[in-house]
Amino acid sequence: EAQVTQNPRYLITVTGKKLTVTCSQNMNHEYMSWYRQDPGLGLRQIYYSMNVEVTDKGDVPEGYKVSRKEKRNFPLILESPSPNQTSLYFCASSFGTGVSYEQYFGPGTRLTVT
Amino acid sequence: DQQVKQNSPSLSVQEGRISILNCDYTNSMFDYFLWYKKYPAEGPTFLISISSIKDKNEDGRFTVFLNKSAKHLSLHIVPSQPGDSAVYFCAARPNSNYQLIWGAGTKLIIKP
Repeated sequence: EAQVTQNPRYLITVTGKKLTVTCSQNMNHEYMSWYRQDPGLGLRQIYYSMNVEVTDKGDVPEGYKVSRKEKRNFPLILESPSPNQTSLYFCASSFGTGVSYEQYFGPGTRLTVT
Repeated sequence: DQQVKQNSPSLSVQEGRISILNCDYTNSMFDYFLWYKKYPAEGPTFLISISSIKDKNEDGRFTVFLNKSAKHLSLHIVPSQPGDSAVYFCAARPNSNYQLIWGAGTKLIIKP
């Protein structure tokens, strides 16, 4: 089954404790992206990757890191989480950035930082 | 400053009637618009899209209309079904890059 998987689905952590949210897709997609969703703000892009070893900042990259060592994986790293990073996070992927531009989303990771 | 706005946080519609979800944008450089649907505890799923060179795109019960002069697009669902109850996001792509700019979403509730 074609899908984007994220782990963990739920995470409660404390300020400053490094964490990684994994994202994996099995569709051989080149483009991958991380979003956060906050009430009243919709989805905001954190980082994106056009291909292996190619990453770039989205609209809200502060406090986050990513890596793209393999085509299928795109982990999101919070080196020192803070309470303002409490949010619902989505990973997404697509074949590319062409006209159809349909993105496939993971189920989301709800992160709470206390 | 939100470039894509969905001004109705929620909308309630009787089953079988038409649902109309609205989206306004401010950037005239958007060249592609998309609607996504999201159920609780799931990620958004693509629903329908429209290029800026068109004013209408139809797919089954779903039709998207684009009014470029008004910078407005709408999603029509006819007839509305209980399974349509979800949050609907409008998104737009600037022609200068590959990012999507998202609206805040509208929660659609279909009443039996």
